[in-house]
Amino acid sequence: QKEVEQDPGPLSVPEGAIVSLNCTYSNSAFQYFMWYRQYSRKGPELLMYTYSSGNKEDGRFTAQVDKSSKYISLFIRDSQPSDSATYLCAMSAHTNAGKSTFGDGTTLTVKP
Amino acid sequence: DGGITQSPKYLFRKEGQNVTLSCEQNLNHDAMYWYRQDPGQGLRLIYYSQIVNDFQKGDIAEGYSVSREKKESFPLTVTSAQKNPTAFYLCASRRIYSDRSYEQYFGPGTRLTVT
Repeated sequence: QKEVEQDPGPLSVPEGAIVSLNCTYSNSAFQYFMWYRQYSRKGPELLMYTYSSGNKEDGRFTAQVDKSSKYISLFIRDSQPSDSATYLCAMSAHTNAGKSTFGDGTTLTVKP
Repeated sequence: DGGITQSPKYLFRKEGQNVTLSCEQNLNHDAMYWYRQDPGQGLRLIYYSQIVNDFQKGDIAEGYSVSREKKESFPLTVTSAQKNPTAFYLCASRRIYSDRSYEQYFGPGTRLTVT
């Protein structure tokens, strides 16, 4: 069983919809939770970062972490066609430990 | 402009040949990483290095080799021992001792096709 499981998708929504992307994990040592966005044939870029449990909001994006359930989510409000990409969750136990563990990614298409 | 460069963008090789993928960063980052990405799959860690002249195996190191002779450079060699080398290869770097040490910066990737 993988340490990080991500809802596989693909996901297709109309413009303006609220999108929910989710990951579960099994390693209780994970404390740092990231969401990366990857456009087609490009390298990923960091979108959101959360330490431990709680919510973090940045514009139309909200990251949620529930450590008790080992569950993280990324919400996108008022989705736009430019949000069409693959979203990868990533987690690590310590920032200086070297490694992050990535989910398989969810591909999102926002239709105009 | 600071960033990570990977070259070439596309690479074609015949089966049985070794091939080296380049990764250079001018961000003064301490750690560097190589990942492999296959369709529908996430990033799988091949090798990583946190300091010059030192590196560790990731989850799928078999058939690959690396070197870290300079802080800026972390080339990856895909050897003929790698059974299924066709994939998208991503290099990343990270500053270890900073308040943003959680963030990895990725290069644009190299798409390797072996026939």
